[in-house]
This record gives sequence, C-alpha cells and structure tokens, in this order.
Amino acid sequence: QQQVKQSPQSLIVQKGGISIINCAYENTAFDYFPWYQQFPGKGPALLIAIRPDVSEKKEGRFTISFNKSAKQFSLHIMDSQPGDSATYFCAGVGGSYIPTFGRGTSLIVHP
Amino acid sequence: KAGVTQTPRYLIKTRGQQVTLSCSPISGHRSVSWYQQTPGQGLQFLFEYFSETQRNKGNFPGRFSGRQFSNSRSEMNVSTLELGDSALYLCASSSPTALNTEAFFGQGTRLTVV
Repeated sequence: QQQVKQSPQSLIVQKGGISIINCAYENTAFDYFPWYQQFPGKGPALLIAIRPDVSEKKEGRFTISFNKSAKQFSLHIMDSQPGDSATYFCAGVGGSYIPTFGRGTSLIVHP
Repeated sequence: KAGVTQTPRYLIKTRGQQVTLSCSPISGHRSVSWYQQTPGQGLQFLFEYFSETQRNKGNFPGRFSGRQFSNSRSEMNVSTLELGDSALYLCASSSPTALNTEAFFGQGTRLTVV
C-alpha cells in the first residue's frame, strides 16, 4: 500500500516557469512532511519541510502548500532554473521518525 | 563535519552470490536507515538501526539483513542475490528528535546483479 502518492512522475518546465509537484498521504499519524531533492549520482538531500500546524512555508523560490483536511501537500518552485533539474521526493514522517517517500518526480527545466 | 559515507560505490555480483554494503554515519548520529531505490518503486525502506538494535523494518524478504556496530557504523547484507536486487542502496543517518527528523543520505552503492 502506497501511503504517499506523488504526481506527476515527470515534469518539463521552461526556465522562469513554475514547477508544481503534488503529494497526497493516507496516514494521519504523519506530523512532518519533508521534500528531498536528488541530483544524479547523489543521495537525496532535504530541501524544505513543513509541519501540519501551518498551511504554507516559503524558503527562497521553494514553497510548500499544505492542506490538512484534504491530506495533500505540494511543492512550488518559482522562477525554475536549469539547476533545479533533479528528482524530487515528498515524504511523510510519523512517530517512528522513518520517512515514507513518494515515488519521486523527475523535473527537467529547459534553458 | 563529514557526511554519510557508503562503500563501495559500485558493485557487480552474480546471481546467487551474497553482498555486504557498508555505511559510516555522520559523527554523533545513532540512527542508520537503509533504502532501496529503483526507477519503478522509488525509495523503499529496508530497516533502521539505533544503538546496535534493529528498531524498524520494512517489507523485504529475510535475504536482506543488517547490523550496526558500537561506533554506529552499519552494514547491510543481501544473500542469494536475484536479478531484481539490482538497485541503488542508500544509507541515511539521523539524530531524530521530535523537533528534528532530518535524514542525511550517503551517495549510495550501485549494485548490479548479472
């Protein structure tokens, strides 16, 4: 059973555009929702995270929007750059502290 | 501060063989988790060790096992390798608290089973 559903699987955006990746979760015990960014040949690295007591968190060009009642959250990348080309994973974390990851979104930003 | 180190980076093994992968966590981190990453399944949790004890376990067959040493270094073993075990194996270390659950990943070991 996939507890975190992520879409789209792949995304192509022009430089300067907005990239949007969506995730939906099932486990109501999750209380921490991180996004990880992975470049080819590297391990994932934490990009930004949110707790369910806030509806939005912004760090630079990256924003998480969180809808607790719908059990959905999304990552918005404003002014997308070719250097943002990577695979993005959303995750939910509960009391075990073990992230349950979505299947990832491959983002390509064309110059 | 050194990051998470995984060795080796690449491995090629034959079906039926066994393999051992190693992970050195960030200094001070007592939790080490292992993940299997494949294009079709994404990041799948294998198991987590904390203070030399397996604390959490994913849904993988018993051919996948691990251990953690007193210095928090961890090893993962896969016995009787199958073609489907070909994947990137990632190790992550953390020092989890209620306020900080960030996992720090190594670069992974790319295992190819032929």
